[in-house]
Formats: sequence, C-alpha cells, structure tokens
Amino acid sequence: AQKVTQAQTEISVVEKEDVTLDCVYETRDTTYYLFWYKQPPSGELVFLIRRNSFDEQNEISGRYSWNFQKSTSSFNFTITASQVVDSAVYFCALGSGYSSASKIIFGSGTRLSIRP
Amino acid sequence: DARVTQTPRHKVTEMGQEVTMRCQPILGHNTVFWYRQTMMQGLELLAYFRNRAPLDDSGMPKDRFSAEMPDATLATLKIQPSEPRDSAVYFCASAPARGEGYTFGSGTRLTVV
Repeated sequence: AQKVTQAQTEISVVEKEDVTLDCVYETRDTTYYLFWYKQPPSGELVFLIRRNSFDEQNEISGRYSWNFQKSTSSFNFTITASQVVDSAVYFCALGSGYSSASKIIFGSGTRLSIRP
Repeated sequence: DARVTQTPRHKVTEMGQEVTMRCQPILGHNTVFWYRQTMMQGLELLAYFRNRAPLDDSGMPKDRFSAEMPDATLATLKIQPSEPRDSAVYFCASAPARGEGYTFGSGTRLTVV
C-alpha cells in the first residue's frame, strides 16, 4: 500500500527563520514520483515540485530546497529565510507508476505559519 | 497562464437535491482528476480519466456519485441525492501525458444543508 506521512501538523516560526517540512513515504513501486504542493489561505493548490524516483539530486529554487533520500524514504522541503507570504498548508504527495500523470495520494499536510 | 476552470465556485444546496460540478481542463491535457478535500479526510482521490475514459473511480461512493467526460473540454461530477456529509471542497485537476505535476482548479465549495 502507498502512504505519505507528514508528521508535523503545524509549525510556527518567526519571519526570516529557516524551516523544514518533513515527508516520509511508503511504496512498493520501483518507479514513482514525489510532489510538493502549497495551499495558501485562498484555497487553491499550487504545484511546487515533482521528483522521480531515479533522480535523487537535491533541488534548489530560490529560497526553496528539497532533499530526496531514498534510503530513508523521505522528501523534505526547506524554506530558507521564511517570509509571511510562505504561510500556507503544504502537502507532500506520491504518484505511482511510470507516468507523472498517474494518480497521486496526498499526505495530511503541514500548516506553516510565519509570524512577522 | 493556462488554468483549470471549475464552476461553480460555491454551491449551497438542500439535502436530497442534485448537484453538478463542472471542470474545464487545460487544453491538451489528457488526464483529469477529481479530488475532495475535507478537514477529517484531507485530500481524497474520487476518480480520474485518461483520454476521456474512466481509469479509476474506486474512491467515489457509487450509489450517489457519478463522473463523466462528455468531451475533452468538460468533466462533470454529479451527486444525486446530496447529503450533508458531502459538504467539502471538490477539486478538479488536469495533467499532460508527460510533464510536471497536476494543475488544480480553484475548487467548488459545496455545502449541503
């Protein structure tokens, strides 16, 4: 069975602090995809990143970075120098199969609050 | 930017009424998904289509829910009859055959009273 666990329900930090959101996944597939989505207070789901199971290189995009470790089945997300606009619920997700358009299951989300 | 369009944005209806939610996927995307988001269950996959054919609807209560894609530009999710426990935000998403992740619509917030 596939599963995504986001153990941190809520995190609150002061602006400019770095924060890491944890994601642990379970799958029996050898080929799979991992995603992060952001859901700001407005409610839409915003795609942040996709990573396939064969690519363990870390990714950096501005203040965002992702650390994928197959050995620990983790795909953690770090925001450097956090800003108030980063306040949102963040979802980690797992997709099965050989296509990034296969169905994906979501973790329960981590609510991140950035205090001024 | 291309976007997935969902209508209506909000719907309040009485228990027992039929509800139809519509989704226009991004042109050229061949896979369409319906998700439901509630506080208790989080984001649940209800059904999805590829090239308009249903691939998986195991997450959908079959007795009252139905999902269709009459053509490549329209996906529908119907609930008949609706019940208060159906109150949720329903998201549609579409994805190309190859590429990055799904693109989600803004959702339909359904309230059944």
